Amino acid sequence: AQSVTQPDIHITVSEGASLELRCNYSYGATPYLFWYVQSPGQGLQLLLKYFSGDTLVQGIKGFEAEFKRSQSSFNLRKPSVHWSDAAEYFCAVGATGNNDMRFGAGTRLTVKP
Amino acid sequence: DTGVSQNPRHKITKRGQNVTFRCDPISEHNRLYWYRQTLGQGPEFLTYFQNEAQLEKSRLLSDRFSAERPKGSFSTLEIQRTEQGDSAMYLCATKDRLGAQYFGPGTRLLVL
Repeated sequence: AQSVTQPDIHITVSEGASLELRCNYSYGATPYLFWYVQSPGQGLQLLLKYFSGDTLVQGIKGFEAEFKRSQSSFNLRKPSVHWSDAAEYFCAVGATGNNDMRFGAGTRLTVKP
Repeated sequence: DTGVSQNPRHKITKRGQNVTFRCDPISEHNRLYWYRQTLGQGPEFLTYFQNEAQLEKSRLLSDRFSAERPKGSFSTLEIQRTEQGDSAMYLCATKDRLGAQYFGPGTRLLVL
């Protein structure tokens, strides 16, 4: 069965600094990978998704992620963080024929002024 | 706003009471999912519908949990005889043809 690990529970960065959130997955076939963001008390918003093709994926709000098969990773990056990016970020793995999408435990991002 | 709505947004109930949550999906998405999310965790899959057919329900947490989607549009999740451990956020999502899921705002349940 697929699984997702987000090694960092909490990350703090200064506003304007670059950001990288780590995600490692375990899946037998080629995975479909997702990053979601969740503000307190809210549902999850899709930031970006990878299905196939170009391994560098662009998303909303200036985020991007890179699929590295050799490292089983799908890390999320942003070159310059804004205070409004403070939230919980979830990585998820799934597949078209598999309706059991698995989420990581999340990484909470704090942005310092 | 993803286009998926959930009601109510918050529910406080006493232990032993039944609760029902509703999800209205994006109309063109025929797959609908229910998840539970507890504090500090990612969403945990509960069940899934394709149109009105419930195709996966083995992950429902107990026989106190049930879900319906009678006309293939909105869905309800019912918890009978609630327990304090049922306190969580319950999320609904719909899936597009490419496999991306779009989540509603969730219903936060507190069982006293």
